[in-house]
Amino acid sequence: QKEVEQNSGPLSVPEGAIASLNCTYSDRGSQSFFWYRQYSGKSPELIMFIYSNGDKEDGRFTAQLNKASQYVSLLIRDSQPSDSATYLCAVNREGVTGGGNKLTFGTGTQLKVEL
Amino acid sequence: DAGITQSPRYKITETGRQVTLMCHQTWSHSYMFWYRQDLGHGLRLIYYSAAADITDKGEVPDGYVVSRSKTENFPLTLESATRSQTSVYFCASSESGGKAFFGQGTRLTVV
Repeated sequence: QKEVEQNSGPLSVPEGAIASLNCTYSDRGSQSFFWYRQYSGKSPELIMFIYSNGDKEDGRFTAQLNKASQYVSLLIRDSQPSDSATYLCAVNREGVTGGGNKLTFGTGTQLKVEL
Repeated sequence: DAGITQSPRYKITETGRQVTLMCHQTWSHSYMFWYRQDLGHGLRLIYYSAAADITDKGEVPDGYVVSRSKTENFPLTLESATRSQTSVYFCASSESGGKAFFGQGTRLTVV
């Protein structure tokens, strides 16, 4: 079993719809959770992070965390063609006050937003 | 400019040659990382460093060497390049909370 699992996709959604990206992790000691966006040929860009159970909203993005189910999700509202990218889920054993311990990444989900 | 920069952006080398990839950050972040990204494997950690003169192995360290004599620099050396080391290499840095920020990447081809 991989430590961080994501469906590779592609996930296709029409413009204006909600895109839902999911991630499960195996290490129950994980304390912090991150979503990175990576455009083709570019480096990963941090877009969301969450440390506590529940929802965290930032603009069109909402991260959801359920530690009991070891599940993290990213919702993108009003999806735009510019959201088409690969979304990487990452987890870390360190919490919000911890040091920059190493991240473990999933292999990413490719999102395509269609006109 | 502030941030994290990698050099070179592209590199072609021959099997058996030594090659060094450079990484420089201006944030004074304590932690620095080297990842490689390959199709089907995602990002895999090669080495990381918690501070100057402190380094540790990641998931795939074989064939690589790192050093960190200064906080801002974290070079990655392939001692004797092999074709299996053809990949895209990303350097990253982070401070508290684990939020990591990535450089532009180096695309390395070993022929």
